[in-house]
Amino acid sequence: DGGITQSPKYLFRKEGQNVTLSCEQNLNHDAMYWYRQDPGQGLRLIYYSQIVNDFQKGDIAEGYSVSREKKESFPLTVTSAQKNPTAFYLCASRRDPSSNQPQHFGDGTRLSIL
Amino acid sequence: GQNIDQPTEMTATEGAIVQINCTYQTSGFNGLFWYQQHAGEAPTFLSYNVLDGLEEKGRFSSFLSRSKGYSYLLLKELQMKDSASYLCSTGFQKLVFGTGTRLLVSP
Repeated sequence: DGGITQSPKYLFRKEGQNVTLSCEQNLNHDAMYWYRQDPGQGLRLIYYSQIVNDFQKGDIAEGYSVSREKKESFPLTVTSAQKNPTAFYLCASRRDPSSNQPQHFGDGTRLSIL
Repeated sequence: GQNIDQPTEMTATEGAIVQINCTYQTSGFNGLFWYQQHAGEAPTFLSYNVLDGLEEKGRFSSFLSRSKGYSYLLLKELQMKDSASYLCSTGFQKLVFGTGTRLLVSP
């Protein structure tokens, strides 16, 4: 079955540590997205990528970094510069960045500070 | 810039009809999406509008007015399992979401 896989499901970060969240899709989608969700809130866009080797900042990119070296993979690194990283992180993909197709979401990663 | 507004919370009773509104201002537009999200889970796609008017899909319908920057999601014959958050999303290549409306359905 095609879909989006996020790992790990739960992640703990120590102070001063960088951590990387994995997102892999086998849907052959061009566009991929990372969102952050805080309790009781909506989704806020961190970064998005429309094509391999290209990505753009979303609304809350500070303290995060991404790469898009392969079409199927869009990892997110939460750096030590992100002072409040505790949140639910969702990865999504879409067939192409300008299409009228909905986004498909992974099951999310919950990140907490130790 | 982009801004999407939704009510924070709504309550309704089983079997009733509820309308969840969404107003938006975006720098680009290629349709408006509605998603359902149960607590602790990923959003799932419900409905999409790109032209003005009503789109009906079983118990769920969605309406769009592009000139007013306004959409609503209509849920009929409410069931307990409809208790969830409903997210409105739009944009062009950069897709953003509203804060979500938490719907509580009571018996």
